[in-house]
Order: sequence, then structure tokens, then C-alpha cells
Amino acid sequence: DAKTTQPPSMDCAEGRAANLPCNHSTISGNEYVYWYRQIHSQGPQYIIHGLKNNETNEMASLIITEDRKSSTLILPHATLRDTAVYYCIVRGHNTDKLIFGTGTRLQVFP
Amino acid sequence: DTAVSQTPKYLVTQMGNDKSIKCEQNLGHDTMYWYKQDSKKFLKIMFSYNNKELIINETVPNRFSPKSPDKAHLNLHINSLELGDSAVYFCASSQRGTVGGEQYFGPGTRLTVT
Repeated sequence: DAKTTQPPSMDCAEGRAANLPCNHSTISGNEYVYWYRQIHSQGPQYIIHGLKNNETNEMASLIITEDRKSSTLILPHATLRDTAVYYCIVRGHNTDKLIFGTGTRLQVFP
Repeated sequence: DTAVSQTPKYLVTQMGNDKSIKCEQNLGHDTMYWYKQDSKKFLKIMFSYNNKELIINETVPNRFSPKSPDKAHLNLHINSLELGDSAVYFCASSQRGTVGGEQYFGPGTRLTVT
């Protein structure tokens, strides 16, 4: 079973920041938080991951709370092409297995 | 220059048939996976291979048999297809030992069993 909970859906206006929350209250000390997304009819796409520090790359920023029980993925300027299902996944560093939950369906509107 | 490719993209077949889906990655990764996404959109791992060795084998019927002829290929053979096998199958690859170990997914193969 997935160790994360996410809202089933969110809306965001184009050009605004999309903030996608994730709860992972049972995360262990050696487990990372990963975010993937799946655009309709495509394979999942890696976005970002982190352990305890905030992370940023060209796609997004990841903010992890100090107690690591929750995190937020931030798409700073959402575009229509960011419409997708976003999955928050907790994964140990010594396992290859990704356990996908139900994710958050983000709809970006004009 | 597709990183992870799968063939075919669509596969329609009848119950009881045997079919194969092929996957190839040109990323030089040493680990490959098969995932299944059912009609409710749940995405579940089925198998993973590292350097041609089976690492993960989830509770999958033994009608499903992965074959890894080399590190760059992982094929999925399905015997005696059933209606419940209809799904989208995704192949993925990653490199073990890297800090992120992010997985790169193929475009998927939509299997329809009639």
C-alpha cells in the first residue's frame, strides 16, 4: 500500500503557482520523497525527489517539513501542459520499488 | 533517440492467446521494470531485473514471464491471456547506486483482451 495521502484533485490557473500537498506521516528516516507525474496516455515522468532538505530543479520545487511528515510540490508557473496526475511516493534508498498511490489530478485552466 | 521504447503500442488479442511485449532502453541503465496500470488507473510494479537477474517479483500469475536477454532489453511474455489482463503495461529503467535512482518510463503498451 502507498504510504502517502494526496487530495484527489486540484485546479490551478495558468501562470500561477501550483502547490500540491502530500502527507507521509509514517515515513522512515532513510526514506526519500519522490514526485512523478503522468500526463494523459503517457508513461509516468520523474519530477524531483528529496530526503529532508528543500530541493529545486528546472521543473519544480519540493518543500519538506522539518518533521518530514508532509511535503509540497510547487510548480512555480503552471502551464496547460502541466495538467496531469501527480504522484507523491515514499521510497527507501535501498529499494527499487515505487509504490504509486492514487495521486492528485491537477487541472490547469486558461 | 527514444530513451525507453516499447513495442507494440497497441495489442488487441483474444482470450487464450499468447503474446509478448518488448522493451528496450538506450540509457545504459542496469535495472528494468514492468508495471501494470489497470482500468482504474492504479499503477503497480510487476517485475524488476538488475543486470539480467530477477530482483522484484510481485504477486503476478505465472502466466506472466519476463525475459531479459541483455541489460538493455526486458520483454514480457503472457500465456493464456485472460480478460483481466487488459491494461496498459509500462516498461521503465533506472541505474542502481545513483543517488536519485529515478525511473524512466516508456510510452506504454495498451493490451486489450477480447
